[in-house]
Amino acid sequence: RKEVEQDPGPFNVPEGATVAFNCTYSNSASQSFFWYRQDCRKEPKLLMSVYSSGNEDGRFTAQLNRASQYISLLIRDSKLSDSATYLCASFRAAGNKLTFGGGTRVLVKP
Amino acid sequence: DTGVSQDPRHKITKRGQNVTFRCDPISEHNRLYWYRQTLGQGPEFLTYFQNEAQLEKSRLLSDRFSAERPKGSFSTLEIQRTEQGDSAMYLCASSSDRDAQETQYFGPGTRLLVL
Repeated sequence: RKEVEQDPGPFNVPEGATVAFNCTYSNSASQSFFWYRQDCRKEPKLLMSVYSSGNEDGRFTAQLNRASQYISLLIRDSKLSDSATYLCASFRAAGNKLTFGGGTRVLVKP
Repeated sequence: DTGVSQDPRHKITKRGQNVTFRCDPISEHNRLYWYRQTLGQGPEFLTYFQNEAQLEKSRLLSDRFSAERPKGSFSTLEIQRTEQGDSAMYLCASSSDRDAQETQYFGPGTRLLVL
């Protein structure tokens, strides 16, 4: 079993709709979590960090459920420009490394 | 541009050749990371430097791979005797130990194709 798992999608989302997807992690020692956005053939760009129960930034809301070991990302009022792959990552101070999931692809359509 | 930079952006090589990639981190960042990403997968951790010290290496980093950060600034990743399975995007990231959030920022990557 992979340490961080994501539904690969694609999630086909009408423009203006809300979409949410989860990321599960297996290592309870994970201290913090991040959502990165990655466009095709580009580098991951930080979207949000998630430390306590959750975080909100504009149309994006991330929530952390430590009991069930998952984090979620919700995108409200989806824009065409939100089409991308969303990577979830867990961080552990031991080794100072990020462990990524395989990404969830989101396609926002007119 | 004060972000992470990588050079070259693309590299095509023949199997068996050696290649070297360079990463320049964000100037005030003392931590530097190398990751590898293949199509349809998330980035996989390769190695991590705190200043010039290499503190962590993944089992993915075979003895054909070596990374250095001699002065605690830029880093190089060398792959010797390349194999077709080495074809991937090699990503560099940096962070600061003064950032409580430990946020890592990625460079544009070096895309390697081994023929």
